[in-house]
Amino acid sequence: RKEVEQDPGPFNVPEGATVAFNCTYSNSASQSFFWYRQDCRKEPKLLMSVYSSGNEDGRFTAQLNRASQYISLLIRDSKLSDSATYLCVVDEGGGADGLTFGKGTHLIIQP
Amino acid sequence: DAGVTQSPTHLIKTRGQQVTLRCSPISGHKSVSWYQQVLGQGPQFIFQYYEKEERGRGNFPDRFSARQFPNYSSELNVNALLLGDSALYLCASRQPGTGTYEQYFGPGTRLTVT
Repeated sequence: RKEVEQDPGPFNVPEGATVAFNCTYSNSASQSFFWYRQDCRKEPKLLMSVYSSGNEDGRFTAQLNRASQYISLLIRDSKLSDSATYLCVVDEGGGADGLTFGKGTHLIIQP
Repeated sequence: DAGVTQSPTHLIKTRGQQVTLRCSPISGHKSVSWYQQVLGQGPQFIFQYYEKEERGRGNFPDRFSARQFPNYSSELNVNALLLGDSALYLCASRQPGTGTYEQYFGPGTRLTVT
């Protein structure tokens, strides 16, 4: 059974702090990895793809460790607008099996 | 450019009824996937369609069916509705052959079964 595990939180973090989320996946053959952001009662929005070499987009950094089957997301200088649920997502390959989502980590940025 | 669109936005049905949900992908995207998201959970994969053919199916009963039209829009049908079918139904599109597997979601249809 394909699984993606995340700490559901909530993570309560003061504005301006750095916060890190982790996620593990069970299928070693997984090929593509993503972080999506979901606001309350809205659709998931792609935050960033995760590449083996790690990648950065502004205040966001994603890392992939294939040996440990582990994905991380780091948010620096957190903003109030970063409050959301962050979904760790894995594609086993080709898209035909669909994306496998974790349950999400709820982040609350406090002023 | 318009993103993925879905209709209706909200729907209330009673147990045993049938429902049809509709999705239009991003212009140029030929692949459409359907997901079910119940409260407190991540989305669960139901179907993927590409070039009007079913290319993948998740662990859902035969009460769930779908199809894709020549213009790449899609419909999801659910028969004999159960209370447990109450959820947000999400449609996502992507463009195969681009080397990436990123999927883009529509706003969803919130289905309530009473």
